[in-house]
Amino acid sequence: GENVEQHPSTLSVQEGDSAVIKCTYSDSASNYFPWYKQELGKRPQLIIDIRSNVGEKKDQRIAVTLNKTAKHFSLHITETQPEDSAVLRCYQKVTFGTGTKLQVIP
Amino acid sequence: DAGVTQSPTHLIKTRGQQVTLRCSPKSGHDTVSWYQQALGQGPQFIFQYYEEEERQRGNFPDRFSGHQFPNYSSELNVNALLLGDSALYLCASTRVDRGLKTQYFGPGTRLLVL
Repeated sequence: GENVEQHPSTLSVQEGDSAVIKCTYSDSASNYFPWYKQELGKRPQLIIDIRSNVGEKKDQRIAVTLNKTAKHFSLHITETQPEDSAVLRCYQKVTFGTGTKLQVIP
Repeated sequence: DAGVTQSPTHLIKTRGQQVTLRCSPKSGHDTVSWYQQALGQGPQFIFQYYEEEERQRGNFPDRFSGHQFPNYSSELNVNALLLGDSALYLCASTRVDRGLKTQYFGPGTRLLVL
């Protein structure tokens, strides 16, 4: 299956700071790059996605950037809020990344 | 517009028993995937159904089987349950929209095997 590496595994930030999470994939033919948020005991929820013909996509405080040459894509959250605290997972083909536990400290 | 639904929400079984979980996809979606999420782990892909056929399968034994019906709903069957099958089982439905395979998840079925 797809090899999907995600870093960091945990991330603690102060409220209002920015958070960046990186995901590296192996299949150069990949063309769809989503990020999911999963709160404890809940379902994964799509927070942002991007197609391979676009380098960056932004939705309010959340953005995703894609570097197809280096085969990685990153999630950027600005002005973090306590409710952003969750496990964030990238996804490729049928494989989730290892997850990043984001903690936003009030 | 109903989202992805799953039933039952919770289930308790004993080792050796069989279980059937059900999923109804989001309206307009035709592809259903199943994932197993053990406590503290990420979701692991079990298999995917499209046009009533299994199209792709993850690294799960034959005890795990499925079915998709003409209305796109799906079932996951697990035979000879093991303690290690205790997990949250997630169903996701997909619609390919201009190359974007947007995937939406149901709330999951929490299975406990005693």
